[in-house]
Amino acid sequence: NAGVTQTPKFRVLKTGQSMTLLCAQDMNHEYMYWYRQDPGMGLRLIHYSVGEGTTAKGEVPDGYNVSRLKKQNFLLGLESAAPSQTSVYFCASSYSQTSGTTDTQYFGPGTRLTVL
Amino acid sequence: GESVGLHLPTLSVQEGDNSIINCAYSNSASDYFIWYKQESGKGPQFIIDIRSNMDKRQGQRVTVLLNKTVKHLSLQIAATQPGDSAVYFCAESPGYRDDKIIFGKGTRLHILP
Repeated sequence: NAGVTQTPKFRVLKTGQSMTLLCAQDMNHEYMYWYRQDPGMGLRLIHYSVGEGTTAKGEVPDGYNVSRLKKQNFLLGLESAAPSQTSVYFCASSYSQTSGTTDTQYFGPGTRLTVL
Repeated sequence: GESVGLHLPTLSVQEGDNSIINCAYSNSASDYFIWYKQESGKGPQFIIDIRSNMDKRQGQRVTVLLNKTVKHLSLQIAATQPGDSAVYFCAESPGYRDDKIIFGKGTRLHILP
């Protein structure tokens, strides 16, 4: 049981390049989330998903897109990277209908992205 | 809007002493509160949670206290150890199985030898 995994762990992009961050969870969780974490800003929600095929905007969605084609995967895309998107990105998942556990979010190890 | 904040950005505690990390929240309708621990280079890790119908909950070496009257949340760590060094976040959720959680900015706990 790996929990929540993220790939890649590190990435450096040039302004204008695109990339996709992959999040995978093996806990059969319904909900998945993408956050960014910047110094002094805490965690800010970018997009989230309450089920396969559904996504919704969070607090800071501009410049990002997401897709949830499979229940276990949640992809975060940057179509045209900007230096302001330099950050650490965390994926999280929560809520298992089968286990009925609490709504605690379980986080992945993060992806450190630098945009030059 | 709602906000979750912390009284102290950095807390230094002697090894073996008890630590108390405080958090203030502004949304009186919040129903669910969580404490997370984040070690350097890692993702946040769940420590303990509490629902608004409780005022205290205990885990292994940790206790969370909730005072709804003054909208205050605290995390107590007993017999602080070097491995407790981390940034601690409080978070609140407006409702049961709500799909969004609001995180505070974090408090860094520093353990003195």
